[in-house]
Amino acid sequence: TQLLEQSPQFLSIQEGENLTVYCNSSSVFSSLQWYRQEPGEGPVLLVTVVTGGEVKKLKRLTFQFGDARKDSSLHITAAQPGDTGLYLCAGVRSGGGADGLTFGKGTHLIIQP
Amino acid sequence: DVKVTQSSRYLVKRTGEKVFLECVQDMDHENMFWYRQDPGLGLRLIYFSYDVKMKEKGDIPEGYSVSREKKERFSLILESASTNQTSMYLCASSPDGRYGYTFGSGTRLTVV
Repeated sequence: TQLLEQSPQFLSIQEGENLTVYCNSSSVFSSLQWYRQEPGEGPVLLVTVVTGGEVKKLKRLTFQFGDARKDSSLHITAAQPGDTGLYLCAGVRSGGGADGLTFGKGTHLIIQP
Repeated sequence: DVKVTQSSRYLVKRTGEKVFLECVQDMDHENMFWYRQDPGLGLRLIYFSYDVKMKEKGDIPEGYSVSREKKERFSLILESASTNQTSMYLCASSPDGRYGYTFGSGTRLTVV
């Protein structure tokens, strides 16, 4: 079974601070996806990283895929209260994704005004 | 705007009842999935389908079955609901899972 470990599990910081969330595995994934989920809603896709060493930016969010394709990170610059939510990383299984993603347990992020 | 629609946001059912959770997508996606989400356990895959009338077991299929008679509709069935099936159920679809899933808003099921 491929496992994804996310850290930290909970993070509460002040508006304007920077933060990094980590997603680690002992397994190689063909790609990793990051989702954000708000209470009472389904996860919403933020980004997919495919190539080892790849870096993608989405406004103040920077996503990186490790060179060995076993880990990924999400860095938020100048966090805002609207960034509050549950952040999930998910790895594509060996079937190319058609047989489901493996999800980490998530990072609960709270940005206080 | 593409959508995955789950028929109910909240459901309360009694132990032993047969429960149907419906999911419809309007994106003509081949692949559809059912997950449950529980605190401390994350999202776990129950069943998935890569084509009409095709179904595959995920990581936790016990106590569940599925039906996919049409491409756009994927139903999750709890044959005899139990209290340990109280959970948030999430349906998702994808044309190619490598590039992301679209999730529904979820059904919060309580079995009493």
